[in-house]
Amino acid sequence: EAQVTQNPRYLITVTGKKLTVTCSQNMNHEYMSWYRQDPGLGLRQIYYSMNVEVTDKGDVPEGYKVSRKEKRNFPLILESPSPNQTSLYFCASSFLDPGDTQYFGPGTRLTVL
Amino acid sequence: KNQVEQSPQSLIILEGKNCTLQCNYTVSPFSNLRWYKQDTGRGPVSLTIMTFSENTKSNGRYTATLDADTKQSSLHITASQLSDSASYICVVSANTGFQKLVFGTGTRLLVSP
Repeated sequence: EAQVTQNPRYLITVTGKKLTVTCSQNMNHEYMSWYRQDPGLGLRQIYYSMNVEVTDKGDVPEGYKVSRKEKRNFPLILESPSPNQTSLYFCASSFLDPGDTQYFGPGTRLTVL
Repeated sequence: KNQVEQSPQSLIILEGKNCTLQCNYTVSPFSNLRWYKQDTGRGPVSLTIMTFSENTKSNGRYTATLDADTKQSSLHITASQLSDSASYICVVSANTGFQKLVFGTGTRLLVSP
């Protein structure tokens, strides 16, 4: 089944404790992206990747890191999480670029205490 | 500034009734417009895509329209079902040499029995 998977689905952590949210797609898509979704603000892009080893900042990159060492994986790293990073996070992928249909993962609900 | 505004913010309708959701955008240069459906606790799923030359596109009980002159789109849901309860997100793609997505904040629809 074609899909985007994220892990974990739910995470509660404390300020400053490094964490990684994994994202994997099995559709051989070139483009991958991370979004956060907050009430009243909609989806905002954190980072994106056009291809392996090619990543770039989205609209809200502060406090986040990403890597794209393999085509299928695009982990999101929070080196020192803070409470303002409490949010619902979505990974998405599309065939070549964001203009193509985005396929979203199931989401990761992160709470930073 | 590229913006996408959706109305209403939320809507409650009775099962079996029709409804129309609105999307106004100021994105330029326009590439395409998508409507996504997001069930509670899940990632968005694409419903329709509209390009500049398309006025209407249907996907089952969902019909999207696009007026490129007034920069407005609508999503009409016919004979609503309980499973239509979700958030509907309008996403416009700008072709700035690279496809840039601009997200609306969504309309939350509740279909009541």
